[in-house]
Amino acid sequence: EDQVTQSPEALRLQEGESSSLNCSYTVSGLRGLFWYRQDPGKGPEFLFTLYSAGEEKEKERLKATLTKKESFLHITAPKPEDSATYLCAVQAPRTYSGGYQKVTFGTGTKLQVIP
Amino acid sequence: NAGVTQTPKFRVLKTGQSMTLLCAQDMNHEYMYWYRQDPGMGLRLIHYSVGEGTTAKGEVPDGYNVSRLKKQNFLLGLESAAPSQTSVYFCASSPTPASPSYNEQFFGPGTRLTVL
Repeated sequence: EDQVTQSPEALRLQEGESSSLNCSYTVSGLRGLFWYRQDPGKGPEFLFTLYSAGEEKEKERLKATLTKKESFLHITAPKPEDSATYLCAVQAPRTYSGGYQKVTFGTGTKLQVIP
Repeated sequence: NAGVTQTPKFRVLKTGQSMTLLCAQDMNHEYMYWYRQDPGMGLRLIHYSVGEGTTAKGEVPDGYNVSRLKKQNFLLGLESAAPSQTSVYFCASSPTPASPSYNEQFFGPGTRLTVL
């Protein structure tokens, strides 16, 4: 069974204090790994897709990296507006009955950046 | 563009009552999805649709029905609500696999449902 484990569950940083969020996954034949940002009371917002080990993607203060077993979301010099829950998800070759390839979400890391 | 919209935003039901959640998207996306999000659990797929007139079961379909009569709308129905269906429900949409951004799902703001 596909599994996604995110750590830590919660992270509190001072503004400007860089850190990383971890997403460990178990899936046979990874099709893609996704990062989303979710603000309180809102739906997730897409950030990145990574497809193969060694791949990196960047967006402003965020950088996502991928290995064969985990992904990291590095946050450089975070600002209070980066506070949110960050979700990781993996897509597997297995499909549901209608042909859509299964996506398994983690439970997220809640990031708080203090001014 | 409004993106993905959901109605209602909040709802309280009594056990056994029925209701329909409406999702609409204005991005001409082919794929649409219904998820539920519960504390301590990741988003779980209830049902999805790969195009107008099609629906399919996801991970947790029991107790729910869906319809996609128009490309832009995806309805989620609860025929006889149960307390276990208390959750936050999200609708999402995405382009077809032929699109470069087909993996990117666009989510609505969610519906918070409480079943007493």
